[in-house]
Amino acid sequence: EPEVTQTPSHQVTQMGQEVILRCVPISNHLYFYWYRQILGQKVEFLVSFYNNEISEKSEIFDDQFSVERPDGSNFTLKIRSTKLEDSAMYFCASSGPLSGSSNQPQHFGDGTRLSIL
Amino acid sequence: QKEVEQDPGPLSVPEGAIVSLNCTYSNSAFQYFMWYRQYSRKGPELLMYTYSSGNKEDGRFTAQVDKSSKYISLFIRDSQPSDSATYLCAMSDGTASKLTFGTGTRLQVTL
Repeated sequence: EPEVTQTPSHQVTQMGQEVILRCVPISNHLYFYWYRQILGQKVEFLVSFYNNEISEKSEIFDDQFSVERPDGSNFTLKIRSTKLEDSAMYFCASSGPLSGSSNQPQHFGDGTRLSIL
Repeated sequence: QKEVEQDPGPLSVPEGAIVSLNCTYSNSAFQYFMWYRQYSRKGPELLMYTYSSGNKEDGRFTAQVDKSSKYISLFIRDSQPSDSATYLCAMSDGTASKLTFGTGTRLQVTL
C-alpha cells in the first residue's frame, strides 16, 4: 500500500540553526500538508500546498517557516532560525489524486521528531 | 469553547468489549469527519472517513455523525489488544483542506 515517507525520523538541532524536514508524499497525490504535534498536545495544522503554491497557512506558520516542492517527488518544510518552542513532531500528509477537490482523506507519514537544544 | 472536544481517557476495556469513542465540536461548518488511530511514535493512520450525518461501517468499526447535535462517534466491536492506541477525531469544513483535530483518546484493551 502506498505511504507517505518522512526523513529524518529524529532531528536534533541547536537553537537558531536552520532545519529542513523532508517528505515524499503518495505518488499520485496532488495536495500536501504539514502538521505538528507538541508533546502531550493535539495535532495542529501548519500549511497546505497545491499546484506549487500555499493554499492555506495557520498563525503558527510565520516568516520563519517555508515549504517547497523542489522536484516531482519531495515536499519540504524549512524552519529558518529554530526556537526552543519549535520542538515537536512534524507530520507530512498528502491527499488526492483528484484535481479540483481538496476534500479527500489525508494520509500521514510517521513524522520527524524535532528536538531544539 | 474548544473547536473540537475529545475525552483524553485513558479508557481501559477487556478484550472483546464494545468501545465507544466520541467527539463534540462547535463549528457548524464542519462537513467531513475522520477517525485516525495513532500508535506510539507513529503517524495518524486513517480509519474512517465520512461526509455529513449518518453511519458508516467498515469491519469492526462503525462511525456515526450527528450534525444536529455536533457529535461524532466511533464504535469498535470485539476489541483486540492490537486496538490499543490513541484515537483522534478530525474534521474539516469542506471549503478548506485543513483538518482540525481533537486531543485524542488513549485506549487500552486488556487480555
